[in-house]
Amino acid sequence: EVHLVESGGGLVKSGGSLRLSCTASGFSFSSSSMNWVRQTPGKGLEWVSSISSRSSSIYYADSVQGRFTISRDNAKNSLFLQMNSLRAEDTAVYYCARDLRGSETYYYDYWGQGTLVTVSS
Amino acid sequence: QSALTQPAFVSGSPGQSITISCTGSSSDVGSYKIVSWYQHHPGKAPKLLIYDDNNRPSGVSNRFSGSKSGNTASLTISGLQAEDEADYFCSLYSGGWVFGGGTKLTVL
Repeated sequence: EVHLVESGGGLVKSGGSLRLSCTASGFSFSSSSMNWVRQTPGKGLEWVSSISSRSSSIYYADSVQGRFTISRDNAKNSLFLQMNSLRAEDTAVYYCARDLRGSETYYYDYWGQGTLVTVSS
Repeated sequence: QSALTQPAFVSGSPGQSITISCTGSSSDVGSYKIVSWYQHHPGKAPKLLIYDDNNRPSGVSNRFSGSKSGNTASLTISGLQAEDEADYFCSLYSGGWVFGGGTKLTVL
């Protein structure tokens, strides 16, 4: 059975930092492209960052570029998101998710339950 | 990329069918970008319902079906059941990941 378990969320002051983790099991993590996606009550779902299976390709949403860093440890089946210079608008539930993509197909097949990040101003 | 437009709320009675729309533009949904649909019970992990516009993953009930016409993709749930009460959202990749605003389904 597939499991993605996020951790590391919490309450932090504006300008502070947090490091999110996502531990995977039940599938081939080391050959999977992984993502962080966040959900806010006001703006809905927003893709945050993606990392390819061997970390050779990394992408960020404009809203977090320069402040967040995605990384992974395939030996530990773990995905990370280092979040610096946090802002109130980063308050959201953060999900890790695996994406499957081909020449025409793109979708997320596995998601975690999410971890809540609250940034207080 | 602009977000995809979904109705905020949809409701139906047990046994009925409902359809949730996901409207984009001629540059995404209307230009053959592939749509996926997800079910999300709050506090749980979102679940893939439909991929590649109209395909169901193994284990997903055939009560869920996807379609697309013009700039609008649709998710139809037939034989509505109480456990279908959840949030539903659509997504596609068009130079970046784009999501719908989500639809809350209430089973009356």
